[in-house]
Amino acid sequence: DAGVIQSPRHEVTEMGQEVTLRCKPISGHNSLFWYRQTMMRGLELLIYFNNNVPIDDSGMPEDRFSAKMPNASFSTLKIQPSEPRDSAVYFCASSPVTAGGNTIYFGEGSWLTVV
Amino acid sequence: AQRVTQPEKLLSVFKGAPVELKCNYSYSGSPELFWYVQYSRQRLQLLLRHISRESIKGFTADLNKGETSFHLKKPFAQEEDSAMYYCALKRNTGFQKLVFGTGTRLLVSP
Repeated sequence: DAGVIQSPRHEVTEMGQEVTLRCKPISGHNSLFWYRQTMMRGLELLIYFNNNVPIDDSGMPEDRFSAKMPNASFSTLKIQPSEPRDSAVYFCASSPVTAGGNTIYFGEGSWLTVV
Repeated sequence: AQRVTQPEKLLSVFKGAPVELKCNYSYSGSPELFWYVQYSRQRLQLLLRHISRESIKGFTADLNKGETSFHLKKPFAQEEDSAMYYCALKRNTGFQKLVFGTGTRLLVSP
């Protein structure tokens, strides 16, 4: 398996523009997570899905952020409108089961710069 | 609520020196603890987990429930250990939710 696949790897956009980040989890994994990484705050969990259903979105910063998982093999994280403070690395991760001692596997991240 | 604290943002040591990256947690139940490592511009990788009681790349970590700590240790640091290290906690019931600390950057100098 190629692992968790994220796109784009890098994006530079202007303030106010819409940004869409994409994730393909590992096949067979039924939990998916979106994390944001910044120098100041480290890794923050934004939202996670189980069987395509959002379970906990309490980490989503504000209404400008939204995430969807239309099927088991695809998820998006959208920021509209984007702001410079959204600049960060956004990681998607997946895990095979909902509970128990299973490992979470991370993608390589999407590096977002909003200017 | 789950919370993970890594008090040091940066830890700088010389090659061959012992290393201890601190991690403290708060959780009312019985947690599962992990250490993840992120080498420069790479994805996070699982380094070790407390239930495995293993040593990976010379690193070990012991869960101390009395002190609510899960410090990562290595007796002799190597330059290739330079990376970002994240301590993470997952509750062992219900849906998986991995909560990370803010990370510690380890810099091993020659």
